[in-house]
Formats: sequence, structure tokens, C-alpha cells
Amino acid sequence: NAGVTQTPKFRVLKTGQSMTLLCAQDMNHEYMYWYRQDPGMGLRLIHYSVGEGTTAKGEVPDGYNVSRLKKQNFLLGLESAAPSQTSVYFCASSPGGDYTEAFFGQGTRLTVV
Amino acid sequence: DAKTTQPNSMESNEEEPVHLPCNHSTISGTDYIHWYRQLPSQGPEYVIHGLTSNVNNRMASLAIAEDRKSSTLILHRATLRDAAVYYCILKGEYGNKLVFGAGTILRVKS
Repeated sequence: NAGVTQTPKFRVLKTGQSMTLLCAQDMNHEYMYWYRQDPGMGLRLIHYSVGEGTTAKGEVPDGYNVSRLKKQNFLLGLESAAPSQTSVYFCASSPGGDYTEAFFGQGTRLTVV
Repeated sequence: DAKTTQPNSMESNEEEPVHLPCNHSTISGTDYIHWYRQLPSQGPEYVIHGLTSNVNNRMASLAIAEDRKSSTLILHRATLRDAAVYYCILKGEYGNKLVFGAGTILRVKS
């Protein structure tokens, strides 16, 4: 059982380049989340989705876009990368409901130079 | 919005119990209390959750105050592998979101 898989695991971008991070889950979960974690800091919610075709803004959505065209996939896009977006990005999924647990991927380390 | 307050860091000796506190004085009646931990260089992992009653699982115990304004995560015998950042989260207050705070860094000494 793969759980939550993030692709790629590492990436270096030049300022102004674009890229898409892929999050895939095989647990048929309704909810999916994207977070960023800067060194020595906690996780901050970027965007989230409560079902296929839905997305919503989190705490720090600026500079990112997301799409949830298929239930199992949640894509995070950076249209024009900036050095301030250098971070570790985590994806998570959960069945939904306040009593359910979330499952996290292993993270994508992104460096923007 | 209800928030949680945790100590920045705590230290424990190996093989001893650890009590990690969390204050949530503005918790609403429908908020669940969740705990996650993040081991070094890994994504967070679920530890335990509860609503009103104390809860036990294979990883830890969760003690919830009668007024629900605070809770304590209990690791019964700390090991070096328990060294991590522990996050106390209220689920329900932000609707469908899962919002993390700063957490408590737990250091375990051998």
C-alpha cells in the first residue's frame, strides 16, 4: 500500500521558472492538503481540497495554484518561482471528518535560485 | 478562532514517561484534539486523537481535562526514536482545514 506519494522528491528551479508538484493517494480519500515547511518552522497550509473538482485557499496561497481533476491526485503549481518559495512541500490526505487522521507524504525539497 | 499553546521544547530521559501539555482554552464543543509528530526529515505522522474521554493506542495516551481546555500527550516510555516535533491540533475549528502550530520539540537523552 503506497499511501501518499509525492513527485518529485527534489528539485532545483531558477527564478521565474514554473513547475508542478504531484501528490497521489491510493486510499480513496476525499480530502487532500498541500503544506510548506521552512527551516525550523511548522507546517503552513497552502491550499486544500475536500473532493474531486474542489479547491480552497489555506493560510499562504499566494504564488501557488492547485487542481484536483481526479480524486486520487492533487497538483500544486508554481507559475513563476521565487527564492521565497524555497521550502519543503508536504502533501496529505484524509477521509474527511474531524475525527479522521491525515496521512502525509515524504515531502518535496524545492530550491529556487 | 480557537488556538493551541504548547511549550517550545521539552527534554526527557530514555525509558522514562513524557507528558507533553497543550492548552486550548477557547476550544469549541465539537472540536477534536489531534496529535501529530514529525520525525527529523520526515512528513508528520498521526499519533492520537480524542474528543472528551481519555484515549489510548499503541503509540501513546491522550489525557483530556474535564473542561477540555487542556490536554496531555503521554509517551509511557520514551525512546530515542521518539525525538520529534509534537503538534497539538484542534480539528473542527477551521472547518475542513488541518492547521498546524509551532509544536513542541522533544529531545530524548540516553
